[in-house]
Amino acid sequence: SQKIEQNSEALNIQEGKTATLTCNYTNYSPAYLQWYRQDPGRGPVFLLLIRENEKEKRKERLKVTFDTTLKQSLFHITASQPADSATYLCALLSGNTGKLIFGQGTTLQVKP
Amino acid sequence: GAGVSQSPSNKVTEKGKDVELRCDPISGHTALYWYRQSLGQGLEFLIYFQGNSAPDKSGLPSDRFSAERTGGSVSTLTIQRTQQEDSAVYLCASSTSGSTDTQYFGPGTRLTVL
Repeated sequence: SQKIEQNSEALNIQEGKTATLTCNYTNYSPAYLQWYRQDPGRGPVFLLLIRENEKEKRKERLKVTFDTTLKQSLFHITASQPADSATYLCALLSGNTGKLIFGQGTTLQVKP
Repeated sequence: GAGVSQSPSNKVTEKGKDVELRCDPISGHTALYWYRQSLGQGLEFLIYFQGNSAPDKSGLPSDRFSAERTGGSVSTLTIQRTQQEDSAVYLCASSTSGSTDTQYFGPGTRLTVL
């Protein structure tokens, strides 16, 4: 069956370091992958989209990689700040209907 | 402009009662989605509306769940004969036309079934 896995354990890092979050998937051939940020009590907010023919995408301090051979995406936040503390969700397009399948999210805590 | 809004923000109900949750998408967005998020879990897809096409209901967990979208704008998710396992945050999202477009989420409705 189709499955998306993110590290369920919280990631704790020191301010200024690079945070790396992992998203693995099985039994998918997604055309693209999205990353969202979710703060407590709020809906997810879109961050980045990377297509299957793109190896890497950057936006300010964020970098996403997409390895369709390994079936994995890595999400990096460089020079992390306490304000980056949140839960980060990856999502894959299922079929061609626009339906997104989400991972369970990884909670990042950046300590000052 | 205004984002996606949902009402109520919180709903407490008794087991067996029916509830209606409302979503107002961003004006002009033709695609609308409903998701459910249980405590500590990711988002579970429920239903997807795109323009005048038949909705994709493949994520609805049982026939107690239904949704409609009137006039291509506001959507209502109805849960009949609520059960305790229905307790979750129900999130609505909209996008300009579906497919690869960014989804904009509302703040969610927290449903508690006692």
